Amino acid sequence: EPEVTQTPSHQVTQMGQEVILRCVPISNHLYFYWYRQILGQKVEFLVSFYNNEISEKSEIFDDQFSVERPDGSNFTLKIRSTKLEDSAMYFCASSLIDEAFFGQGTRLTVV
Amino acid sequence: GESVGLHLPTLSVQEGDNSIINCAYSNSASDYFIWYKQESGKGPQFIIDIRSNMDKRQGQRVTVLLNKTVKHLSLQIAATQPGDSAVYFCAENMRSGGGADGLTFGKGTHLIIQP
Repeated sequence: EPEVTQTPSHQVTQMGQEVILRCVPISNHLYFYWYRQILGQKVEFLVSFYNNEISEKSEIFDDQFSVERPDGSNFTLKIRSTKLEDSAMYFCASSLIDEAFFGQGTRLTVV
Repeated sequence: GESVGLHLPTLSVQEGDNSIINCAYSNSASDYFIWYKQESGKGPQFIIDIRSNMDKRQGQRVTVLLNKTVKHLSLQIAATQPGDSAVYFCAENMRSGGGADGLTFGKGTHLIIQP
């Protein structure tokens, strides 16, 4: 069964450093998303991406965040200067129409 | 305040019994609702969805009910199995279209299956 894959599974970074979280969506999907889940809290929407551009973004997705689909298969989330409060589980998802498939997540720990 | 929420943080049921997980939402303009299941260490897994023009939708062993009058969503799981143990989230889409665009998730209900 096709699946969304995310790497790395766990990333530890120092405050102020840049991180790139990587995702390989399901190959024929057209819509791509990033969500995050701070430990013990709700899953929160960050951004959606369609046709090589951002289609929606939340208030969380400020200038420190960016997304890219550099080569037609990968979908990346970059955080330019990480803060302690960026520590969370980051989920990538993709969909063709309605049903969205989520990856296993990358646990980002900012120290 | 929270636009999507669940009534119970934990629900414990006997294996083989039916489970009902409830969710309240506050935005009457929401058009699309989804139930997700999240097992430990994994991402949310789509279970079933429903649009606002429907009251009920059935899947394999699962049924979603939507009551727009009281803004209430429920997930019924028939004959629960040990593999159903997980956290269940309802999610609401206040934007047009489906997928996972701008979903608002509730806090989740942890379903525990007793042997």
